[in-house]
Amino acid sequence: KAGVTQTPRYLIKTRGQQVTLSCSPISGHRSVSWYQQTPGQGLQFLFEYFSETQRNKGNFPGRFSGRQFSNSRSEMNVSTLELGDSALYLCASSFHGGDYGYTFGSGTRLTVV
Amino acid sequence: EDKVVQSPLSLVVHEGDTVTLNCSYEVTNFRSLLWYKQEKKAPTFLFMLTSSGIEKKSGRLSSILDKKELFSILNITATQTGDSAIYLCAVEDPWGGSEKLVFGKGTKLTVNP
Repeated sequence: KAGVTQTPRYLIKTRGQQVTLSCSPISGHRSVSWYQQTPGQGLQFLFEYFSETQRNKGNFPGRFSGRQFSNSRSEMNVSTLELGDSALYLCASSFHGGDYGYTFGSGTRLTVV
Repeated sequence: EDKVVQSPLSLVVHEGDTVTLNCSYEVTNFRSLLWYKQEKKAPTFLFMLTSSGIEKKSGRLSSILDKKELFSILNITATQTGDSAIYLCAVEDPWGGSEKLVFGKGTKLTVNP
């Protein structure tokens, strides 16, 4: 079966711009969560969506937002980009309650210049 | 604040060696502990541990959880160059019914021929 698909793979943006990243989960998976990975901080939780509802949010500023659609696809948006937002953004999907683990996509590498 | 600490942060061994990677955690809510291998971008799932003392095995890899002492180890026997990767430990926090992973910083394993 198809894995978790993230688009685009790479992005270069200028400070102050905004960006939208997309994540398509494995078919049948209803939970999608997002993580930011940087060399200094490792993987940090951004937010989690289930059935179009945000159930949890990490300790990130309000410039980071997301949503989930009825087909479980999810998008995350970062507004007013800062240099420190440069990172690998990973999304993960799970079937139910994480009982079968979480499957990660290959990520979107965002570079802010 | 939830915390997952992995040690060592990096490790260099020769092919054929056996390695033990450590993961300790302090979290308010615990459902499971997961191990992932990250070679380029997408972390790939290795193990999910929920019960103490039950070893999980997959080929040359094995892992065990101690919920009393709040740690887990990942063993890799007869290492190969293909085992070179970052190994990530994560604890699943089910707070509020959501699905959130708290990650350690990872252990970078380098296996030299």
